[in-house]
Amino acid sequence: KAGVTQTPRYLIKTRGQQVTLSCSPISGHRSVSWYQQTPGQGLQFLFEYFSETQRNKGNFPGRFSGRQFSNSRSEMNVSTLELGDSALYLCASTVGQGNSPLHFGNGTRLTVT
Amino acid sequence: QQQVKQSPQSLIVQKGGISIINCAYENTAFDYFPWYQQFPGKGPALLIAIRPDVSEKKEGRFTISFNKSAKQFSLHIMDSQPGDSATYFCAASLNSGYSTLTFGKGTMLLVSP
Repeated sequence: KAGVTQTPRYLIKTRGQQVTLSCSPISGHRSVSWYQQTPGQGLQFLFEYFSETQRNKGNFPGRFSGRQFSNSRSEMNVSTLELGDSALYLCASTVGQGNSPLHFGNGTRLTVT
Repeated sequence: QQQVKQSPQSLIVQKGGISIINCAYENTAFDYFPWYQQFPGKGPALLIAIRPDVSEKKEGRFTISFNKSAKQFSLHIMDSQPGDSATYFCAASLNSGYSTLTFGKGTMLLVSP
């Protein structure tokens, strides 16, 4: 079974631009979560989508948004990029019900200059 | 507010030794405690997880010890190998949201040959 796939692996953007990251979950997984990983703050939860609906949301500004499609694929968007948004963005999927563990992709490394 | 505190930040262990990483949590509503292993350039991978109704769980060389009254849990890696060199994260979540993990800041483990 293929794992969680994230594209692109690397991105370089300029401050003020916007960016869209993509995530394909493991087949059969209906829940997709996004996490931001930085050296200073570690791993922080952004939001979770289940069956195309946002089910949980972390403590991030409204510039961070996401969506999920009917095939469970998900996209994350960051508008008006700031230097502090430079991070590894990780997508994770799970079945979404019961005690199912979270499986992470290898992330998209975003650098904002 | 850091809800899951992890220590030490880094650890050097000789091959064959025991690696011990500790975590403490604040929210007594947490009831799922996974440990993740992350290699450079990769996403975190689930290593082992425990729920508070048991005090210990062992999988191969990896053991989680859980102390509910002290709100602490730890990871023990027996017979540590150079291939175990990675960053380890403890995490916690509520039963209602296994996708919404609160992570510790991580421990960088180096196992010397």
